[in-house]
Amino acid sequence: EVQLLESGGGLVQPGKSLRLSCAAYKFTFSSYAMSWVRQAPGEGLEWVSSISNDGGSTYSADSVKGRFTISRDNSRNSLYLQMNSLRDEDTAIYYCVKVSWTYGLNVWGQGTTVTVSS
Amino acid sequence: DIVMTQTPLSLSVTPGQPASISCKSSQSLLHSDGRTYLYWYLQKPGQSPQLLIYEAFYRFSGVPDRFSGSGSGTDFTLKISRVEAEDVGIFYCMQSIQLRSTFGPGTKVDIK
Repeated sequence: EVQLLESGGGLVQPGKSLRLSCAAYKFTFSSYAMSWVRQAPGEGLEWVSSISNDGGSTYSADSVKGRFTISRDNSRNSLYLQMNSLRDEDTAIYYCVKVSWTYGLNVWGQGTTVTVSS
Repeated sequence: DIVMTQTPLSLSVTPGQPASISCKSSQSLLHSDGRTYLYWYLQKPGQSPQLLIYEAFYRFSGVPDRFSGSGSGTDFTLKISRVEAEDVGIFYCMQSIQLRSTFGPGTKVDIK
């Protein structure tokens, strides 16, 4: 079964950094674009960032541009999100999502929780 | 960015009755490649979102046939022919015609 497993979330102070990881299983990771989507407590879904299958193209929401960097290591079947200069409003569950050309965001991880608070 | 709106924002349905959710986009989601980049997701309580409908009206693998999507351009609808208890949660529409995807605010469905 295709699976995505996020890790790296936790409690962090405003202005600090955190790196999220996502391990991919049971699909050819290098063939698919990947995305991060977040959900603040009690709120809806917000697309954060996407990366092409080879890592050559990346896209980010204005709310995180210049602070967050998406990357991947196809040799390790892993996706990353480096989050710098964290703010209170970055507090959310962060989902790793597989992007299919046909189905869109079709496989979601269970999420990892990031809490930014002093 | 394309703005997605949904109505209603909440819905209480009697089991066995139909339900309908509307989604509108601020720009057409019909691409020059002929595909319509509109998707529907359901987030059940305590779970990650799951894909229901892709490209406006195609049902994803394993999704019950009581779910159907319709619409074109900027106006779309998700219909549940007969709501079941397991359908409770928040339904989201999403566009990905632009590289920067955007979601609707969500429609919370519960059972009467």
